[in-house]
Amino acid sequence: AQSVTQLDSHVSVSEGTPVLLRCNYSSSYSPSLFWYVQHPNKGLQLLLKYTSAATLVKGINGFEAEFKKSETSFHLTKPSAHMSDAAEYFCVVSDRGSSYKLIFGSGTRLLVRP
Amino acid sequence: NAGVTQTPKFQVLKTGQSMTLQCAQDMNHEYMSWYRQDPGMGLRLIHYSVGAGITDQGEVPNGYNVSRSTTEDFPLRLLSAAPSQTSVYFCASTPKRATGELFFGEGSRLTVL
Repeated sequence: AQSVTQLDSHVSVSEGTPVLLRCNYSSSYSPSLFWYVQHPNKGLQLLLKYTSAATLVKGINGFEAEFKKSETSFHLTKPSAHMSDAAEYFCVVSDRGSSYKLIFGSGTRLLVRP
Repeated sequence: NAGVTQTPKFQVLKTGQSMTLQCAQDMNHEYMSWYRQDPGMGLRLIHYSVGAGITDQGEVPNGYNVSRSTTEDFPLRLLSAAPSQTSVYFCASTPKRATGELFFGEGSRLTVL
């Protein structure tokens, strides 16, 4: 069965410093992986997705993620945090053969300090 | 630009009461789904639909019913509310050919006393 594990429940950074949110996946086939963001009291929005094309994926708002099969990882990064990046981030894998059925990680809450 | 619209945004129920969470989308998406979000658990799939007249169970379907009579609407019914159903509920839709990009509503916060 497919699953994702987000290694940190909370990450705190200072504004202007790099962001790293870690995600490991488990899948018996080549997975489709995603990062979604949820701002307070809002729905979720797709940040970026990997679907077996380029392993380095660029998303919105300066975020990117790298698919590393050897490490079964899909970490999310951003060179410089902005206050508006404070939100909860979910690493997600799609169920095999069902791109509309998503399996979510437990989430990482990103705090950005002034 | 309505997208996915959920009502109500907030609801308080007593144990044993029933209610329906409404979800409507105006993007002509074939696929619709309901998730519940609980602290530390991410989102879990309750029910989904791949088109009008077709529904199926997700990971946590017990205590919930759905129907899909039109492409636009996908209501979620709680038959007899229990405190364990206190949660934030999200409806999402996606077109048939999309690969994992779901469009979410803003959520419905339900409290069962």
